Amino acid sequence: AQTVTQSQPEMSVQEAETVTLSCTYDTSESDYYLFWYKQPPSRQMILVIRQEAYKQQNATENRFSVNFQKAAKSFSLKISDSQLGDAAMYFCAYRSGRTGTASKLTFGTGTRLQVTL
Amino acid sequence: NAGVTQTPKFRVLKTGQSMTLLCAQDMNHEYMYWYRQDPGMGLRLIHYSVGEGTTAKGEVPDGYNVSRLKKQNFLLGLESAAPSQTSVYFCASSYSPLGITDTQYFGPGTRLTVL
Repeated sequence: AQTVTQSQPEMSVQEAETVTLSCTYDTSESDYYLFWYKQPPSRQMILVIRQEAYKQQNATENRFSVNFQKAAKSFSLKISDSQLGDAAMYFCAYRSGRTGTASKLTFGTGTRLQVTL
Repeated sequence: NAGVTQTPKFRVLKTGQSMTLLCAQDMNHEYMYWYRQDPGMGLRLIHYSVGEGTTAKGEVPDGYNVSRLKKQNFLLGLESAAPSQTSVYFCASSYSPLGITDTQYFGPGTRLTVL
């Protein structure tokens, strides 16, 4: 079974600075997808960014980018120019690329990000 | 286009009571999921469905039942609630075209407390 590990329960960053959230995963599969979800105090789960394992290029969405190291099974999220609205819980998630797996997600335990002035 | 909606948003039950959580999506998604979120444990999959009339067990299915009678709805039932089922429940849905990444879209969650 796949596992996702987020070793940083809490992180803090000053406004306008850059922060990196860590995620590692364990899998024997070669075809899979990785995701970062944001959960603000409203509880709504919001997709931040996703990465296909077969793509070597790191995904980028505006101020959010990932560092995907397939051999090391590492998938970190970098938030640049942090804003107060970035304060939230961030979850890393894994999805198998095998057919018949119903696109199920395996989540990490989350990292709570605080943004200070 | 409301996306994924959940009813109710909050509920308090007494041990042994039953209830049904309703999830509805208007995106014509094939797949639907129920997760529970507990402190320090992330989201864990309870049950899922790959299409109308089908359901399957996830990681933590005990104490729950589900039904998918209509494509747009996915019901989660608790027949005899226990305090261990106190949690926040999330529904999600995704499309399933072959060979294309299908992102899961989440509902706003239901906070359930079992006394």
